[in-house]
Amino acid sequence: AQSVTQPDIHITVSEGASLELRCNYSYGATPYLFWYVQSPGQGLQLLLKYFSGDTLVQGIKGFEAEFKRSQSSFNLRKPSVHWSDAAEYFCAVGGGGGSYIPTFGRGTSLIVHP
Amino acid sequence: SAVISQKPSRDICQRGTSLTIQCQVDSQVTMMFWYRQQPGQSLTLIATANQGSEATYESGFVIDKFPISRPNLTFSTLTVSNMSPEDSSIYLCSAVRGMGDTEAFFGQGTRLTVV
Repeated sequence: AQSVTQPDIHITVSEGASLELRCNYSYGATPYLFWYVQSPGQGLQLLLKYFSGDTLVQGIKGFEAEFKRSQSSFNLRKPSVHWSDAAEYFCAVGGGGGSYIPTFGRGTSLIVHP
Repeated sequence: SAVISQKPSRDICQRGTSLTIQCQVDSQVTMMFWYRQQPGQSLTLIATANQGSEATYESGFVIDKFPISRPNLTFSTLTVSNMSPEDSSIYLCSAVRGMGDTEAFFGQGTRLTVV
């Protein structure tokens, strides 16, 4: 069965600082990996995805993520955080066997200090 | 990407009543799903809405409590029946556009409070 672990419940950073949100997955084959962001009172927006190819993927809003098979990780990064990045971030794994239904991690809440 | 509209966006309901949430996609999609997000929690899949047939429910969710319809390729409803305060959650509609696409898109969610 597929699963996702986001070890950090909350992350606090100062505006302008760099950010890394951790995600580890468990999956029997090559996974499809996603990062979603949920702003307060909103639905989920896809930030980026990895299916194959280049292990460093670029997303919207200046985010990137790196797939590391040896570590079963797909960490999300941003070089300089903006106050508007404060939100809940969800890592998800899916795909394989014809299943497109993602399994989500518990989420990491990003707090940005001015 | 597909645009998904959900309504209502929020509601406060009395226990014992039922609420039907509507999900409309702006284009035909192959798969539609319903998720529940309890306060401070991640998303839990309730069921896959199947066009023209009964929905496929995940463990812990049953049709009597969460009846789902999907009459065509762009529309689905989720009913939360005989509500209790434990049903207070955000309910999210999701879709996958086509078999060549593998990312799911989400509506803005319905925030339900049961009193």
